[in-house]
Amino acid sequence: KQEVTQIPAALSVPEGENLVLNCSFTDSAIYNLQWFRQDPGKGLTSLLLIQSSQREQTSGRLNASLDKSSGRSTLYIAASQPGDSATYLCAVSPVYNQGGKLIFGQGTELSVKP
Amino acid sequence: GAGVSQSPSNKVTEKGKDVELRCDPISGHTALYWYRQRLGQGLEFLIYFQGNSAPDKSGLPSDRFSAERTGESVSTLTIQRTQQEDSAVYLCASNQGLGAFFGQGTRLTVV
Repeated sequence: KQEVTQIPAALSVPEGENLVLNCSFTDSAIYNLQWFRQDPGKGLTSLLLIQSSQREQTSGRLNASLDKSSGRSTLYIAASQPGDSATYLCAVSPVYNQGGKLIFGQGTELSVKP
Repeated sequence: GAGVSQSPSNKVTEKGKDVELRCDPISGHTALYWYRQRLGQGLEFLIYFQGNSAPDKSGLPSDRFSAERTGESVSTLTIQRTQQEDSAVYLCASNQGLGAFFGQGTRLTVV
């Protein structure tokens, strides 16, 4: 059974710092991995999608990496801003579903202090 | 449409009543999922539709929960005889192989 774990559960940093969020999964047979952002009381916003054949994806100040063999992904946020404060979730799709049912981690709650 | 649309955005119902939640996926997306998020908790998978295949209902918590989807269009999640523990945000997402896109959710409160 696939399990997704995110560490740390919460993180507080001063504005301007670079930071890394971690996501690990127990079954390397994934179709893709997706990082989301959730603001309080809101839905999920997709940040980056990494297909199983890819090693990383970049969007602006965000960079996500994937090491399937070790069951790990990281989300790197450069030059953090107070507006980055949110809960960050990673989710994997099992290969047999080809992009179907997403299995989520519990999230990392990020607070960026001005 | 431009994104996944869910309605209503908020629903308050009395314990024991039935409720129906609606999800309009992104046009052309064959995959659609429902998740539930209780206050302060993670996302709990409920059900997954993929095209005309039989849905994956493995996450439905009880037989009071059911969902339907007509083709690749609208889906409805029905909760019968609501209980207070059903209070949560119900999130819908659709996917066409390029990642899942979520709606803003329906906040259900059972009083």
